Amino acid sequence: DTGVSQDPRHKITKRGQNVTFRCDPISEHNRLYWYRQTLGQGPEFLTYFQNEAQLEKSRLLSDRFSAERPKGSFSTLEIQRTEQGDSAMYLCASSFYDSGYTEAFFGQGTRLTVV
Amino acid sequence: AQSVTQPDIHITVSEGASLELRCNYSYGATPYLFWYVQSPGQGLQLLLKYFSGDTLVQGIKGFEAEFKRSQSSFNLRKPSVHWSDAAEYFCAVGPRSGSARQLTFGSGTQLTVLP
Repeated sequence: DTGVSQDPRHKITKRGQNVTFRCDPISEHNRLYWYRQTLGQGPEFLTYFQNEAQLEKSRLLSDRFSAERPKGSFSTLEIQRTEQGDSAMYLCASSFYDSGYTEAFFGQGTRLTVV
Repeated sequence: AQSVTQPDIHITVSEGASLELRCNYSYGATPYLFWYVQSPGQGLQLLLKYFSGDTLVQGIKGFEAEFKRSQSSFNLRKPSVHWSDAAEYFCAVGPRSGSARQLTFGSGTQLTVLP
């Protein structure tokens, strides 16, 4: 399967714990995006990388959130001191960016439940 | 600020009936326009996109959408719905300029198909 893969698919954690999600993009894609989707809403942009550089962060990305993309390949999204409001589906997408537009392909997401 | 409105939270149609899902956007200039579909527990799949040219665009699974600049709308249609079309549908917009390509999504329309 050469699509975008995310791990784990589901995560249940206690409030206050740290969690880390992983995203493996399509191999030739230089762009990687993280989105958050809460129940009944569309995905909301969190941050994106071009290669290993994190180029933009949404104001939704509080100080408890950190994302990395070492070596411009896979990416991790860490949430520290989780809160119940962090419960959501976290979606990763990748694309190949040049001056024009190419389609972003989405992974199946990681569903986080904070109890 | 850009926004996408999907006024119908939930639509129910009978199998074989026609379908139209509404989408209106607010944006500084005509953006790129997209429709995505999300099945339960899954990521997002691109149905179709509009960049320029013919305002009626064809997508996968027999879907089409029409861009109407004067109405800032991009409604999705299908002439005959199949039971497998039951899912959540998201309209999204993306910028034509600048290096960032993140999408802004509507809140989605849940489609139920009756046998």
